[in-house]
Amino acid sequence: NAGVTQTPKFRILKIGQSMTLQCTQDMNHNYMYWYRQDPGMGLKLIYYSVGAGITDKGEVPNGYNVSRSTTEDFPLRLELAAPSQTSVYFCASSYKDNTEAFFGQGTRLTVV
Amino acid sequence: AQSVSQHNHHVILSEAASLELGCNYSYGGTVNLFWYVQYPGQHLQLLLKYFSGDPLVKGIKGFEAEFIKSKFSFNLRKPSVQWSDTAEYFCAVNARGNTGKLIFGQGTTLQVKP
Repeated sequence: NAGVTQTPKFRILKIGQSMTLQCTQDMNHNYMYWYRQDPGMGLKLIYYSVGAGITDKGEVPNGYNVSRSTTEDFPLRLELAAPSQTSVYFCASSYKDNTEAFFGQGTRLTVV
Repeated sequence: AQSVSQHNHHVILSEAASLELGCNYSYGGTVNLFWYVQYPGQHLQLLLKYFSGDPLVKGIKGFEAEFIKSKFSFNLRKPSVQWSDTAEYFCAVNARGNTGKLIFGQGTTLQVKP
C-alpha cells in the first residue's frame, strides 16, 4: 500500500530558486492538502483541493502555488525560495468530509 | 476562528507512568477531533479520532481520549507508557462538513525514559 507519496525527501535550495514538491496518492481520495510544520508551531495549512481542477488557499499560502490536474497528484510550487520557507512539508489526503487524513513522509526543505 | 491549544509542550516520563496530554479547542460549531503521533523521522500517523457517539474513544497502542463537549476538550491518556511511545503528539480538529481542513495544536513532545 503506497498511500501518500512525497518526493523529494530532502532538498536544499538557494534563495530565489524555484522547485516543485511532488505529492501523489493512490487511494482515490477527493481531498488533498499541503501543510508545513515548523518547530513549536504545529502544522499550518498552505493549500488544499477538493477535487481535480479545484484548489483553494489555506492559512499560509503566500509564496506557494498548487495545481490539481488529476485526482492522484497535487504538486506544490515554490517560485522564489526564501529562508522563511525552510520547513518540513507534508502532503495529506482524505476521501471526503468526516474521514481521517493520511499523511505522506514529508519533505525537509532548507533555503540558504 | 478555530484554534487548538495543547497545554504541555514537553513531557518527560518514566516507563510505566501514566500519561495525560491536554487539548482544548475553540470553535462554535460541530467538530471532528483527532490525535496524531509523529515518531522521530516519520510522518504523522493517526492515533485515534472522534466523530460522534461515545465520547470515550480508544485508539491504537493502548491510547484513549475523552471528548468533553462542555469543556471543549479532547485529552489523550495512556495508563502505562513505554519507551517506544517517545514521539511528538498533535491534537487536531476540523469543522464538520468543511472540506476536512485540519487545525493543529502546537504539539507535545513526549520523552519516555527507560
